[in-house]
Amino acid sequence: NAGVTQTPKFRVLKTGQSMTLLCAQDMNHEYMYWYRQDPGMGLRLIHYSVGEGTTAKGEVPDGYNVSRLKKQNFLLGLESAAPSQTSVYFCASSNIRDRTPASQEYFGPGTRLTVT
Amino acid sequence: AQRVTQPEKLLSVFKGAPVELKCNYSYSGSPELFWYVQYSRQRLQLLLRHISRESIKGFTADLNKGETSFHLKKPFAQEEDSAMYYCALSGFFSGGYNKLIFGAGTRLAVHP
Repeated sequence: NAGVTQTPKFRVLKTGQSMTLLCAQDMNHEYMYWYRQDPGMGLRLIHYSVGEGTTAKGEVPDGYNVSRLKKQNFLLGLESAAPSQTSVYFCASSNIRDRTPASQEYFGPGTRLTVT
Repeated sequence: AQRVTQPEKLLSVFKGAPVELKCNYSYSGSPELFWYVQYSRQRLQLLLRHISRESIKGFTADLNKGETSFHLKKPFAQEEDSAMYYCALSGFFSGGYNKLIFGAGTRLAVHP
């Protein structure tokens, strides 16, 4: 049981390049999230998904796209990277169902992205 | 607006001293509050949540609805407590989906 895994761990991009971050979870969780972590800002929600085939915008969605084609995977895409997207990206999943109160989110190890 | 505020970016104490990490929240409904911790080079993990009324690693936190606070406390800090601590609020926001809102975090540094 690996929990939540993220690929890659590190990446350096040039402005304008594109890339996809992969998040995978083996806990059969319905909800998955992408956050970015910046100094002094805490974690901010980029996009989330409440189930396979569904996605929704979070707090800071601009410049990012996501897809949830399989329940266990949640992809975060940057179509044209900008220096402002330099950050640490965390994926998380949770077993929230049927609008019951939150239990816990399980986090991945993070992806450190630098855009030059 | 829903918000979690952690007023201190850094809290620096000596080993054995009491610790209180402050957290205030703003939420129109009945929230569920959490503390998450991130040790150096590790992933974020749940420390405790108000609904469980538990003590983890000597830490406790009490939800005060009157003051809309959920401060994290420990009577005697240890060096291994040094980490980044995030207060988080879970509730139902627009769209009806349950999400976590995080505070900016407080770095706790415990010195020998």
